[in-house]
Order: sequence, then C-alpha cells, then structure tokens
Amino acid sequence: GAVVSQHPSRVICKSGTSVKIECRSLDFQATTMFWYRQFPKQSLMLMATSNEGSKATYEQGVEKDKFLINHASLTLSTLTVTSAHPEDSSFYICSAVGTGYIYEQYFGPGTRLTVT
Amino acid sequence: GNSVTQMEGPVTLSEEAFLTINCTYTATGYPSLFWYVQYPGEGLQLLLKATKADDKGSNKGFEATYRKETTSFHLEKGSVQVSDSAVYFCALSAGSGGSNYKLTFGKGTLLTVNP
Repeated sequence: GAVVSQHPSRVICKSGTSVKIECRSLDFQATTMFWYRQFPKQSLMLMATSNEGSKATYEQGVEKDKFLINHASLTLSTLTVTSAHPEDSSFYICSAVGTGYIYEQYFGPGTRLTVT
Repeated sequence: GNSVTQMEGPVTLSEEAFLTINCTYTATGYPSLFWYVQYPGEGLQLLLKATKADDKGSNKGFEATYRKETTSFHLEKGSVQVSDSAVYFCALSAGSGGSNYKLTFGKGTLLTVNP
C-alpha cells in the first residue's frame, strides 16, 4: 500500500515552454503533498507544501509564479514549471501524506526535467 | 531551526562488512526520525523510522535507535550486500499543526558495496 506515482518520469522541453508534472496517490487519499527539487548528488530541497482545496505554501526563495502547484483532489497534485529555462533542469520529487499516516511521507519515483 | 547532520560520504565497503552512518539532529520539541534510501534514478523509499526516544527502527537488516541524550539516530547494518548500494538520507519531522509533516533532510551519504 501507500504508492505514489509521478508522470512523466522524464521530460525534455525547450526553453520558454511550460511543463506539467503530475503526482498521484494510488491507494490512499493524500491531504497533504510536498514537492521537492533535487540537484545532482545533493539532498532534497522542499519547494512547497500542497493541501487539497487550498493554495500551496511555498518555501522561502521559491518563485510561486514560476512553479505553479494545484492540489485539485485528494489523490492528485500537479506542478507546472512555467517559462522553463535551463537552470530549471532538475529532478523533481513529490511526496504524499495520507489521513492515517501521521509524520510519514510516501515518495514518488521522481521526474527528470531537462530544459534545452 | 531544525537541522540534520549526517556523515558525509562516499562510503565504500566490501560485501559482508559492518556499516555505520552517523546522523545527529537539532530540533525543538520531540521530532520523529527517519532513514530514507534512494537507489540510482529513483525516488526515496522509507527504510525505517522512530517516533520517540529509545525507539529502535529496523528493516531489511538495518537498525537505528533514537537517542535523545545524544540527539543521534545512527544507521547500522551488520553485513552489507552489493544491493545495499544507494544514497541514504537521515531526516526528521517536527513542528506544529500542518507543518508536522515537513521533513528536514541531511545531505545524504552515498554507499557503495563491492563484491
């Protein structure tokens, strides 16, 4: 149980275009989802906290107009990277917390974004 | 604020060697502590956890004990295998209200096990 999926697993886009990444909780309802960014050989950096039905809370230094987050249902959150630039290339990982999973996050497999 | 400091790698061991990856933390209140593992090209998987002092988390031969007096949560395994090669992250979860779920990660330790 407690499976989280991400789609796509890899995406290549041209500079200036927008890319949407989906995060789904497959077998539980996720009241809270998190979006992380991971640079090569580095730790995860929390970008934002997404709560179903409300606006996302962004960490300091993360541009909310560039990284649009929508948590439209209890099983789906999306991250849209708008007007992508090569410096946005990274590994994006989401995680989800279910109603019964206090203090425990379940992670998706990640999405590798490459902006050319 | 909260922080996690873990042993920097990389760590290279031979198969069946003993593994220790040190992790210490700074947090207000009573955090929950976690070890996550990340295999190449994949997301994170929860390896083990402990939610209160003196708890021992264990899974797949790995163990870690929540030591409040030393603010530590060191990861150990008695006999590593080649398949244990991965990056290991120590993390804590602390806070109040909705931020209870927020995780603070250490920098990660790359473990390579050679046959």
